[in-house]
Amino acid sequence: QKEVEQNSGPLSVPEGAIASLNCTYSDRVSQSFFWYRQYSGKSPELIMSTYSNGDKEDGRFTAQLNKASQYVSLLIRDSQPSDSATYLCAGGNSGGSNYKLTFGKGTLLTVNP
Amino acid sequence: ETGVTQTPRHLVMGMTNKKSLKCEQHLGHNAMYWYKQSAKKPLELMFVYSLEERVENNSVPSRFSPECPNSSHLFLHLHTLQPEDSALYLCASSQELPERDLSYEQYFGPGTRLTVT
Repeated sequence: QKEVEQNSGPLSVPEGAIASLNCTYSDRVSQSFFWYRQYSGKSPELIMSTYSNGDKEDGRFTAQLNKASQYVSLLIRDSQPSDSATYLCAGGNSGGSNYKLTFGKGTLLTVNP
Repeated sequence: ETGVTQTPRHLVMGMTNKKSLKCEQHLGHNAMYWYKQSAKKPLELMFVYSLEERVENNSVPSRFSPECPNSSHLFLHLHTLQPEDSALYLCASSQELPERDLSYEQYFGPGTRLTVT
């Protein structure tokens, strides 16, 4: 199993809907998880960090971490066309360096007006 | 983008050239990173510096040579690159929190789009 896996998409949702982005991880990835948004031609922008089991909400974004099932999700409520981007999931290095993050390949999200 | 800056934003170089990428962070962080992002591949960590000391080197070819003169500046010196080295090179920074045994939030610069001809 790859350490961090994401569905590459594209995921297409209508404006105003909830977009759900999923990420699964292996045992070698620790309990620190990050979601980055990357617009085409731009660099990744950190939008959410989560370290604890359960939900963490920030504005229209909710990160859900389920340690038992080894997945982390990002929900975007009231999706807007400006949310159209690639979303990268990253996990920390279990038992190792706090500097190392393992990134997934990203999920392309398109929000249709 | 103003927290971490990178220059140049675009670079085209021949295989025999020598060039350097520069990164500067204005966030007061004490760790800096170089990543490579190629199409269809996940971000690849190249080097990490903490308090100006290299703490990670992910089996990067010697044609890439990092330098960290202080906690705000990071360079990547390039020489005799190959066409497959063409990619987006991203710099990032983070603040170490040793009292918390958790991975650090990393903040990226805008990147340098490198093309090797």
